[in-house]
Amino acid sequence: EVQLVESGGDLVQPGGSLRLSCAASGFTFSTYAMNWVRQAPGKGLEWLSFISSGGHTIYYADSVKGRFTISRDNAKNSLYLQMNSLRDEDTAVYYCARESVVATLYYWGQGTLVTVSS
Amino acid sequence: AIQMTQSPSSLSASVGDRVTITCRASQDIGNNLGWYQQNPGKAPKLLIYAASGLQSGVPSRFSGSRSGTDFTLTISSLQPEDFASYYCLQDYNYPRTFGQGTKVEIK
Repeated sequence: EVQLVESGGDLVQPGGSLRLSCAASGFTFSTYAMNWVRQAPGKGLEWLSFISSGGHTIYYADSVKGRFTISRDNAKNSLYLQMNSLRDEDTAVYYCARESVVATLYYWGQGTLVTVSS
Repeated sequence: AIQMTQSPSSLSASVGDRVTITCRASQDIGNNLGWYQQNPGKAPKLLIYAASGLQSGVPSRFSGSRSGTDFTLTISSLQPEDFASYYCLQDYNYPRTFGQGTKVEIK
């Protein structure tokens, strides 16, 4: 069974940093591209970032480019999102999601809450 | 970035009703569109891929179609468990973009 478990969400002050993790199991992690998606409270879904299976191709949404960094460790079956210079508007539930041949966001984790507030 | 314009933003319907939700892409994206369902407090779930492909395990009352840059999600007979929010997502290019979402509420 495919499982994606996010962790690392916390309360952080504006301007601060946080690293989210996504632990993958139930599939061969190193062969699948991965994404991060977020959802602000009461708002819609926002795609944030993509990383290819080997980590060599990366894309970001303009809203996080230059502040967030996606990475992965295939030996540890883990995906990461380093978030710097956090703003109030980054408050959201953050999801990791695995790609498949047919769809970008085929499997989702349960999400982790990041709150940016002073 | 490709803009996905989803409508309506919300709708009220009764069990058994036929419901349609539309997404319009700002440019040609081929069939590269998925539909997702999200229940409150839960992660989204893939319903439809490649505009009209029914994801395994999803009831056949859900269907998707495409006409040019217009995409439609249809629920043929609304069931109690279908009251949720629905989102389209273009996976034609990066950045990926979602529609604004449609909340389906009980009338």
